[in-house]
Amino acid sequence: EVQLVESGGGLIQPGGSLRLSCAASGFIFTSYSMNWVRQAPGKGLEWVSYINSGSSSIKYADSVKGRFTISRDNAKNSLYLQMNSLSAEDTAVYYCAREGAGSCIDPWGQGTLVTVSS
Amino acid sequence: QSALTQPASVSGSPGQSITISCTGTSSDVGGDYNYVSWYQQHPGKAPKLMIYDVSKRPSGVSSRFSGSKSGNTASLTISGLQAEDKGDYYCSSYSSSSIRWVFGGGTKLTVL
Repeated sequence: EVQLVESGGGLIQPGGSLRLSCAASGFIFTSYSMNWVRQAPGKGLEWVSYINSGSSSIKYADSVKGRFTISRDNAKNSLYLQMNSLSAEDTAVYYCAREGAGSCIDPWGQGTLVTVSS
Repeated sequence: QSALTQPASVSGSPGQSITISCTGTSSDVGGDYNYVSWYQQHPGKAPKLMIYDVSKRPSGVSSRFSGSKSGNTASLTISGLQAEDKGDYYCSSYSSSSIRWVFGGGTKLTVL
């Protein structure tokens, strides 16, 4: 069974940094591209970042470019999101999600909540 | 990076059919890649894939769900509406621009 388990969320002050992790299991992690998608409270889904299997292709939404860094450790079957210079607008549930043969995002983890507040 | 455009809400009675539209541009929905997908989300839960590649259904998804695309607009149709179909629905498309994926703003489905 494919499993994606996020961790690292929590309450952080504006301007602070946080690192999210996603532990993958049940599939060959090295064969898949991965994404982070977020959802602010009561709002819709927003794609955040993408990384291909070999980390040679990385993309970011304009809203996080220059502040967030996506990475992966294929030896540890793990995906990461380093988030710096956080603001209230970054408050959201962050989902780790696998790409399905490049044609869709599926499956998704259960999400981890990041709250940016003083 | 504009989101895809979906109606904020739709409603229908049990047994009826409803259609949710998703309008993008020639860089995403209307592009060469038919990578349009639809997700169902219930409160506090992760999105669940209902349709991918415009019209394909993952294993386990009811045949009452179907997808289509015409030009820059994709559509999700749910036939034989059931109470369990209520929730939020999001469309998504691969984007050939500098980003990777774009989502619609979401549509709240109410089963009357």
